[in-house]
Amino acid sequence: QVQLVESGGGVVQPGRSLRLSCAASGFTFSSYVMHWVRQAPGKGLEWVAVISHDESLKFYADSVKGRFTISRDNSKNTLYLQMNSLGTEDTAFYYCARKGGGSGSFDYFDYWGQGTLVTVSS
Amino acid sequence: EIVMTQSPATLSVSPGERATLSCRASQSVASNLAWYQQKPGQAPRLLIYGASTRATGFPARFSGSGSGTEFTLTISSLQSEDFAIYYCQQYNNWYSFGQGTKLEIK
Repeated sequence: QVQLVESGGGVVQPGRSLRLSCAASGFTFSSYVMHWVRQAPGKGLEWVAVISHDESLKFYADSVKGRFTISRDNSKNTLYLQMNSLGTEDTAFYYCARKGGGSGSFDYFDYWGQGTLVTVSS
Repeated sequence: EIVMTQSPATLSVSPGERATLSCRASQSVASNLAWYQQKPGQAPRLLIYGASTRATGFPARFSGSGSGTEFTLTISSLQSEDFAIYYCQQYNNWYSFGQGTKLEIK
């Protein structure tokens, strides 16, 4: 069965960096577009970033552009999110999610990890 | 940016009754609309995609309808496990979510 397991969250001071990981299993990871989505505690969902199956294409929400970098290691079935220059507004649960549907440019997210909490606080 | 607006913010319904949740897009998203169910302490779970196709594992009491800018999620006879927060999402042009509708027990 499809499993996505995030790790790497924690408490970090403003201005510092953190790298999140998402370990995938139960499907051919290298064939799928992958996303990061975040949710501030008690708030709604916000799409963060997307990466193509072969890492050739990467796109970001304006709120994180220039600070966050999405990457993947298909040999390790792992997705990453490098977060730099963190601010208190980045405090959230971070979920990795798999692109569903077919070959369209945009699609729904058919599987989600359980999330990892990032708290930015001094 | 396409803005998604859900109504109501909170819906109180008794078990066994019907619940109707609405989602409006600021511009047409065709049928590129998904609904997700989120229970406390859990990740969102895909419920509906393509505006009306039920995802694996959800019973027939869940149905989605609409196209363009107006969408509806209907739960025909609420069960205790259905009380959760429901989010709509457009994926016609990038991605944006509604703010959610909390479905609570009346």
